[in-house]
Amino acid sequence: GENVEQHPSTLSVQEGDSAVIKCTYSDSASNYFPWYKQELGKGPQLIIDIRSNVGEKKDQRIAVTLNKTAKHFSLHITETQPEDSAVYFCAGGMEYGNKLVFGAGTILRVKS
Amino acid sequence: GAVVSQHPSWVICKSGTSVKIECRSLDFQATTMFWYRQFPKQSLMLMATSNEGSKATYEQGVEKDKFLINHASLTLSTLTVTSAHPEDSSFYICSASGQTDTQYFGPGTRLTVL
Repeated sequence: GENVEQHPSTLSVQEGDSAVIKCTYSDSASNYFPWYKQELGKGPQLIIDIRSNVGEKKDQRIAVTLNKTAKHFSLHITETQPEDSAVYFCAGGMEYGNKLVFGAGTILRVKS
Repeated sequence: GAVVSQHPSWVICKSGTSVKIECRSLDFQATTMFWYRQFPKQSLMLMATSNEGSKATYEQGVEKDKFLINHASLTLSTLTVTSAHPEDSSFYICSASGQTDTQYFGPGTRLTVL
């Protein structure tokens, strides 16, 4: 089955700097890769996703890149703000109602 | 759009009792709902997948007789933890997906078993 590994486990950046979180997956059949942000005591919130027919996707300060050959994908947050501090999870799976496998999570701390 | 609610947000119960958690998709029809549990400082672990009107598919190691899942309509799924014990204390989160492949998560339910 699918296995998703995520690095780093914790990341501290200065406000205004960029943050990058990386994930690798094992199942070449996976074609859907969402990223979720989870604040303490709350459910995960989708922030961006990418499908295997696209190499990069951007939404304002957030971007995701996907390298299918190497089976890895990354989340890029630019101009970080204190409110970006949270736990970020990557996930991999197949589209349309199929289950997702989550990475272990990255605690992002943005210092002001 | 794409709002998922859970009820209750937290519950405390005595060991041996059963607890029901509801998951509702408020503004879309959820053909598939997922139930996860999350221990402190850990990732989300999928417990089961349910499709409306069908029996749930449980992940390996999850006791289907202990964690009863019902997906009776396109907007409601329930998880019942039967004969709960302290080791069942956890954060239970549901997600729902409809016509698109995106999973939208509920706010979670904190279960504490005394």
